[in-house]
Amino acid sequence: ETGVTQSPTHLIKTRGQQVTLRCSSQSGHNTVSWYQQALGQGPQFIFQYYREEENGRGNFPPRFSGLQFPNYSSELNVNALELDDSALYLCASSLGPSTQNTEAFFGQGTRLTVV
Amino acid sequence: AQSVTQLDSQVPVFEEAPVELRCNYSSSVSVYLFWYVQYPNQGLQLLLKYLSGSTLVKGINGFEAEFNKSQTSFHLRKPSVHISDTAEYFCAVSAGSGTYKYIFGTGTRLKVLA
Repeated sequence: ETGVTQSPTHLIKTRGQQVTLRCSSQSGHNTVSWYQQALGQGPQFIFQYYREEENGRGNFPPRFSGLQFPNYSSELNVNALELDDSALYLCASSLGPSTQNTEAFFGQGTRLTVV
Repeated sequence: AQSVTQLDSQVPVFEEAPVELRCNYSSSVSVYLFWYVQYPNQGLQLLLKYLSGSTLVKGINGFEAEFNKSQTSFHLRKPSVHISDTAEYFCAVSAGSGTYKYIFGTGTRLKVLA
C-alpha cells in the first residue's frame, strides 16, 4: 500500500500570493488532517477533513481553507500569504477522525517559504 | 484546554547510554498521550501511545514511556541509544471533545554522540 504523499516538496511564494498544497492519503484512509510546523516548533493543527466534510478546525484565520475529494485526497489553500506562513506543512491520513481509534500517518511535508 | 510541555529542547547523549525525554501535560479531562519521532527531512512517525490500561507503554525501536497521572507526565525512555536514534521527538496529547487532533509539544532534539 502506498503511504501519504505531499506535493510539492518545496516552494517559494511572494507575500500576498495564494498557494495550494496537495496531499494523497494512504490507501483506504478517509480522513486527512493538516498541520503547520514553524521552524523550531511543534506541529499545530489547522483542520481535519472526514469523508469530504470539515470535521474540526484549529486557531487559523479563514484565509486557510481546504478541500477533500471523493478519493479522499486533500488540498490546503492559503490566500494572501504572509511572511509568518513560512513553515513545513504536514498532512496526515487515518482510517477515521479519532486519535483514540486510529493511527495517523504523516507525509514528508511541504516546505513553504514566503518572501 | 490541553497543553504539552517539553522542557528539554536538546538532549545530547553518548551511544549505548540510557536516555529520558521529558513530557508534561495539562488537561482537565482524561487524555490520550503519544510520542512521535521526526527524522531529518521526513514526516512524523508514531513511536508509542497511551490510551488506557497499563501505565507502562512499549513502542517501536526499544522505546518505552510511563504515564504518571499524579505528576501529569509521560516521559520517554530508552535503555541504550544508537546513533540512528538521532532525531526530533515530539510529545502530543489528545483529549475531551478534541480527540480528532493532536496538540504537540515544541519537541526535543536527541543527539546521540559516538
